[in-house]
Amino acid sequence: AQSVTQLGSHVSVSEGALVLLRCNYSSSVPPYLFWYVQYPNQGLQLLLKYTSAATLVKGINGFEAEFKKSETSFHLTKPSAHMSDAAEYFCAVRGQGAGGTSYGKLTFGQGTILTVHP
Amino acid sequence: SQTIHQWPATLVQPVGSPLSLECTVEGTSNPNLYWYRQAAGRGLQLLFYSVGIGQISSEVPQNLSASRPQDRQFILSSKKLLLSDSGFYLCAWRRAGELFFGEGSRLTVL
Repeated sequence: AQSVTQLGSHVSVSEGALVLLRCNYSSSVPPYLFWYVQYPNQGLQLLLKYTSAATLVKGINGFEAEFKKSETSFHLTKPSAHMSDAAEYFCAVRGQGAGGTSYGKLTFGQGTILTVHP
Repeated sequence: SQTIHQWPATLVQPVGSPLSLECTVEGTSNPNLYWYRQAAGRGLQLLFYSVGIGQISSEVPQNLSASRPQDRQFILSSKKLLLSDSGFYLCAWRRAGELFFGEGSRLTVL
């Protein structure tokens, strides 16, 4: 079974400041990990994903995340926040090697709302 | 290219009324399809998934049901809505391990 915990339901940063959104996972098998972004009243868009290749994953819009097995973490970062980054961000996990039974189901965290101040 | 459509985008329904939300995927065949619900402050909860026509798996017991009458059509239904059914419903399909989401349907039950 897999689970995801996102630390902090709300994060507020100033424009130009570092963005750090925290995600810790629990998985009984090696995980695939994802970050999605959701703008108001829209569906979810994939930012980046970890699939057991490089531990530092680069995504769209300048975001990146680092997989740390020892810490069971997959935190999302961006060096300099833009006003357009204001949205809700979701971390998600799926177990590797269980495709036959997992059917691609993702388990999502509770989400973190990012606010960017001028 | 593949696209996914959901409708209606917004729906306001009284308690006890029926519900039908539709999801259609274009540009692919035999996709895995999913219905998620997003309630305020509660993240995304997987409701149903389908690996083929007529094949529906339910993740949680609830007041809702799903059907897949055609390869690229996924329908979420209820015979009698409850207040707790309010939320943002997202349909998704899977390709190469990734989920691609529709724009969502916001349901308010009064």
